[in-house]
Amino acid sequence: AQSVTQLDSQVPVFEEAPVELRCNYSSSVSVYLFWYVQYPNQGLQLLLKYLSGSTLVESINGFEAEFNKSQTSFHLRKPSVHISDTAEYFCAVSDPGTYKYIFGTGTRLKVLA
Amino acid sequence: DAGVIQSPRHEVTEMGQEVTLRCKPISGHNSLFWYRQTMMRGLELLIYFNNNVPIDDSGMPEDRFSAKMPNASFSTLKIQPSEPRDSAVYFCASRSGTDNEKLFFGSGTQLSVL
Repeated sequence: AQSVTQLDSQVPVFEEAPVELRCNYSSSVSVYLFWYVQYPNQGLQLLLKYLSGSTLVESINGFEAEFNKSQTSFHLRKPSVHISDTAEYFCAVSDPGTYKYIFGTGTRLKVLA
Repeated sequence: DAGVIQSPRHEVTEMGQEVTLRCKPISGHNSLFWYRQTMMRGLELLIYFNNNVPIDDSGMPEDRFSAKMPNASFSTLKIQPSEPRDSAVYFCASRSGTDNEKLFFGSGTQLSVL
């Protein structure tokens, strides 16, 4: 069975500071990895994904995540955050065979002025 | 496309009542997922369908919960009888058969059982 662990439930950070949101997973098979973002009162939206190839993936709004197979991690980073990045971020894994998504419990990022 | 449409946006009901949540997936998508979100447990997968057929319902909490997908454009999640611990946000998501890696979420139904 697959599982996802997001150790940090809340991360406060000042505007323009860097941030890292941690994600670790466990799986007995190869997986696809994702980060989704949820803004208040909205559904989740895909932020970025790792399927294969380069282990570093980027989003259009400056976030990046690196797949580390040996550490079974997929941490999300941004070098300089904005107030508008305040949201909840979910890490997820998907079995390429079944495409069944399992989500972590989420990390609430709060960007302070 | 209007995206995944869920109704109602908010539902307040009393313990013991039947609750029906509705979802219209994006046209052409062949997979549909129901998730429940709570502060304590995060986002839990309840059930998912592929081509209108339930594939995995191992996340359905108990027999009080049931889900149906009578056709490719409609699904329901029913709770009967409802209990206060069912209070949560319920999300529906759909996925295209040609883009299996991306889920599209609805805006959710906020359920409060008093």
